[in-house]
Amino acid sequence: GQQLNQSPQSMFIQEGEDVSMNCTSSSIFNTWLWYKQDPGEGPVLLIALYKAGELTSNGRLTAQFGITRKDSFLNISASIPSDVGIYFCAGPTFLQGAQKLVFGQGTRLTINP
Amino acid sequence: NAGVMQNPRHLVRRRGQEARLRCSPMKGHSHVYWYRQLPEEGLKFMVYLQKENIIDESGMPKERFSAEFPKEGPSILRIQQVVRGDSAAYFCASSPSQPNEQFFGPGTRLTVL
Repeated sequence: GQQLNQSPQSMFIQEGEDVSMNCTSSSIFNTWLWYKQDPGEGPVLLIALYKAGELTSNGRLTAQFGITRKDSFLNISASIPSDVGIYFCAGPTFLQGAQKLVFGQGTRLTINP
Repeated sequence: NAGVMQNPRHLVRRRGQEARLRCSPMKGHSHVYWYRQLPEEGLKFMVYLQKENIIDESGMPKERFSAEFPKEGPSILRIQQVVRGDSAAYFCASSPSQPNEQFFGPGTRLTVL
């Protein structure tokens, strides 16, 4: 089945630094979703991308839908402590006429004070 | 506008007991999805339901697990005769007619003793 691979698996940065993470697949996706999960909570949708090459921003977050439709990137500028958490990419797959989301394994972001 | 609601947030069961997890989707959403998350892992799809119909249950174990989304009331994920391996966080998500963007609840953390 379709799989999403995220890298890096974890990041340790200083407050104020910029962050880049990516998500790749061997299959084409028509939609890319980026979620953030805080400890003990459910994932929260950050950005949704629907068109190859699309670049979308949400505050300090910017995500891009790769031209090949097999990858996506998420950047966070000027990180702050509340950016700590796990970031997941996800994409919908259609099987037997039904849709579900496939998730990457996540990138865990830690910010050193 | 309340988000997706799940209860209980934490559930402790002994081996062999039954676990019932409830999910109320966002207002106006008719699509419900259940996912399971093990520690340090991403979310794994279990089942996709619309009102009174199971659309895709390909991610749900064939035995002991069942799900429903009745005409009235919340969606229920039921696990019979729980085993230690069922310990995980179970998340519900809902979407409107456009199923690409799924919104998640806070999850139910099941611990089997």
